Formats: sequence, C-alpha cells, structure tokens
Amino acid sequence: DTGVSQNPRHKITKRGQNVTFRCDPISEHNRLYWYRQTLGQGPEFLTYFQNEAQLEKSRLLSDRFSAERPKGSFSTLEIQRTEQGDSAMYLCASSFNLGSSYEQYFGPGTRLTVT
Amino acid sequence: AQSVTQLDSHVSVSEGTPVLLRCNYSSSYSPSLFWYVQHPNKGLQLLLKYTSAATLVKGINGFEAEFKKSETSFHLTKPSAHMSDAAEYFCVVSETGGGADGLTFGKGTHLIIQP
Repeated sequence: DTGVSQNPRHKITKRGQNVTFRCDPISEHNRLYWYRQTLGQGPEFLTYFQNEAQLEKSRLLSDRFSAERPKGSFSTLEIQRTEQGDSAMYLCASSFNLGSSYEQYFGPGTRLTVT
Repeated sequence: AQSVTQLDSHVSVSEGTPVLLRCNYSSSYSPSLFWYVQHPNKGLQLLLKYTSAATLVKGINGFEAEFKKSETSFHLTKPSAHMSDAAEYFCVVSETGGGADGLTFGKGTHLIIQP
C-alpha cells in the first residue's frame, strides 16, 4: 500500500503522560500536514511541513505539542503532559506541490484517548 | 480569514433518490473548494475540487458540485443515492489551493441512506 500511514492507530494513555505519533507520507510528497478531529467536528489544522521545515503552526498547537520531520520524510507529533481535552483523532496528510492546487491525501488517523 | 458552513448536520434520503448537501463559504480571496468523504474507520477521501476553472465540477462516484460566487455556495449533489454513499461529508475551503495554510473544514454532514 502506497498511501499515508499512521502509527499507532489507537493510543490510550493516562493524564500527564507523554505520547508520540508517527506519520509516513506518500514517498514523493514534500508537504506533510497534521490535523486534529474531535467527535462531531471537522478536522482542524495544526501544522505543516515543507520537506523538513515547519512552516506554519495553528494557535491550536499549544506548547505541549511538538512536531518534527527530521529528514523530510516521516513526521512525529509529540504531546507532553497529556490532558483529557487532548482526546481526539490525529490525522496526517501529505501533498506534492504541483501548479496552484495541492491535493492532500489523508492517513487513517491515530485515535488518542486520555483517561 | 476563511470559513465554511455546512447547513445540515444530518441528511437522510432513500436509495435511488437525489442527494443534496449544502455548503456556504467565506473567503477574503478567490478560494479553492473541496468536498471530502469520511467512511467509518477509513481515511478522508477527496471527492472533488474547484480551483477557479469550470464552475461545475465532477467528482468520483457520480458526485458533482457547482461553485456559485454570487451565492458563496458550493453544494454537493448526486442524481441517485446508493447505500455505499452513507458516510460523513466535509466541505473544505483553502485560500492557497490547499497548500500553505492547510485546509479549513466544515463541521460535516452525516448522510443516511434509507433502503
């Protein structure tokens, strides 16, 4: 399968613990995006990378959140000192900039439950 | 700033009848508009996109949408619903074609298909 993959698919953690999620984009895609989706809502943009550079961060991305894409390939999203409000589906997407439109391909998501 | 309003949180139609999912957008610039579908436990899939070319856009699985600038609308339609169309549908806007600032999603419309 050559789509976007995310690991783990599910994560249950206790409040205060740190968690890290991984996203592997489609191999030739140079842009990678993170979104968060809570129950009954549409996905909300968190941040994006072009190659290894993090170019945009939403105000939703608090200081407890950090994302990296060290070699311009896979990316990790870490949440420190998790809170119950962090419970959500975390989605990753990737795209290849061609012309003026960038179709984003989404992974299946990582569902985080903070107890 | 850009935003999207999906006018119906739930739409129920009978199999074989037309589908109409309504979407209004707000954008400071000439936007790109998308419809994504999300089936349970599956990733978001792009149905169709408008990027300032033809105002009537055809997508996959028989869906189409018409961009109406005067009404700031981008409604999604399908002539005949199929049971497999049951899913969550998101109207999405971007001021940069989906690239530099991520995508802004509506809250979603849950499409129910009655047998």
